[in-house]
Amino acid sequence: SQQGEEDPQALSIQEGENATMNCSYKTSINNLQWYRQNSGRGLVHLILIRSNEREKHSGRLRVTLDTSKKSSSLLITASRAADTASYFCAKGRTGSARQLTFGSGTQLTVLP
Amino acid sequence: EAGVTQFPSHSVIEKGQTVTLRCDPISGHDNLYWYRRVMGKEIKFLLHFVKESKQDESGMPNNRFLAERTGGTYSTLKVQPAELEDSGVYFCASSQAGGRARNEQFFGPGTRLTVL
Repeated sequence: SQQGEEDPQALSIQEGENATMNCSYKTSINNLQWYRQNSGRGLVHLILIRSNEREKHSGRLRVTLDTSKKSSSLLITASRAADTASYFCAKGRTGSARQLTFGSGTQLTVLP
Repeated sequence: EAGVTQFPSHSVIEKGQTVTLRCDPISGHDNLYWYRRVMGKEIKFLLHFVKESKQDESGMPNNRFLAERTGGTYSTLKVQPAELEDSGVYFCASSQAGGRARNEQFFGPGTRLTVL
């Protein structure tokens, strides 16, 4: 895929465990953004990490970016049943184009 | 602060008909984007407005799709005539005008379009 891959495609964990999702890409990026989509709902912006950043935190979320490997990971700590959703990474291009390129997403299920 | 809103939430039309989707961005956001997700595929970029001007329409699939943003506020996306393969969820997003914040795109709930 030109857009890179996300893995795993599906992840099922118990409440309280940590969840890690990965995203890879192929072309240069300006930034990488993670979104969550609950079933049948819109995309919720979680966090943005710029190409010159290596790690970013927001509450129970931790995002890392390794530009040498062209990959990013999203870690959700102490997961809750409410975290059940699809998670997407979206790559922001360099240059003037502002479009985002989305991966296929990871379906996370947190079991109570 | 109100988020990005889209109307309608669902639309069911027959092949050959016309449908117009509307997006109201977050107030003050100059950048407005349309994306869509067709069955089983990834979310794909359609086009980008800066105020009322089309900045990038490289993702528009064909000339059956027409997007407008008169006055630089809300935007419409018209599909005429609709084909079966147009079925999917159409998302709108907006971002601020400048600075680093312009990269952060906020999405609406989407319009689910079904073409029969």
